[in-house]
Amino acid sequence: GENVEQHPSTLSVQEGDSAVIKCTYSDSASNYFPWYKQELGKRPQLIIDIRSNVGEKKDQRIAVTLNKTAKHFSLHITETQPEDSAVYFCAARELTGGGNKLTFGTGTQLKVEL
Amino acid sequence: SQTIHQWPATLVQPVGSPLSLECTVEGTSNPNLYWYRQAAGRGLQLLFYSVGIGQISSEVPQNLSASRPQDRQFILSSKKLLLSDSGFYLCAWSVEVALNEQYFGPGTRLTVT
Repeated sequence: GENVEQHPSTLSVQEGDSAVIKCTYSDSASNYFPWYKQELGKRPQLIIDIRSNVGEKKDQRIAVTLNKTAKHFSLHITETQPEDSAVYFCAARELTGGGNKLTFGTGTQLKVEL
Repeated sequence: SQTIHQWPATLVQPVGSPLSLECTVEGTSNPNLYWYRQAAGRGLQLLFYSVGIGQISSEVPQNLSASRPQDRQFILSSKKLLLSDSGFYLCAWSVEVALNEQYFGPGTRLTVT
């Protein structure tokens, strides 16, 4: 099955700086890569996603890049704000077995300091 | 618009007691449904998924079971809870395989004492 690794596990940045979270996946057939943000005690929220036919996608201050050859994708947050503090999860859609299954990374705790 | 509900929101149960968590989706038909567990400070572990009524796939061996008695209802059960069953249980749905997006319910926080 699919295996997703995520780094770093914790990330601390100053407000206004950029943050980058990286993930690698193992199944070259995976074709969909979402990112979720989870605030303390709440459900994960889908913030951006990218499909394998696209190399980059941007939505205001967040962007995701995908390198299919290297099997890695990254989340970029620019001009970070305190409300960006949360745990971020990457995921990859596993094609085998059906059911639109996602395999998640282990999460990155982002802390934006004033 | 689609809405996903889970109840109860929190639950404290003694070891060895039964469990029933419910998830329902509104505003869509024939969704794919998922149960995840998140231990404290940990990632998301897929427990079960369902592509239709009565169709359940189990991802990990455990003392939990799932059922889908209706199109938009997904139930997570256990006959006897273990301490290790404590965690944040999240139900999720997706509309169709081609669309891929998966959305989570508000979750149930289970503490087994």
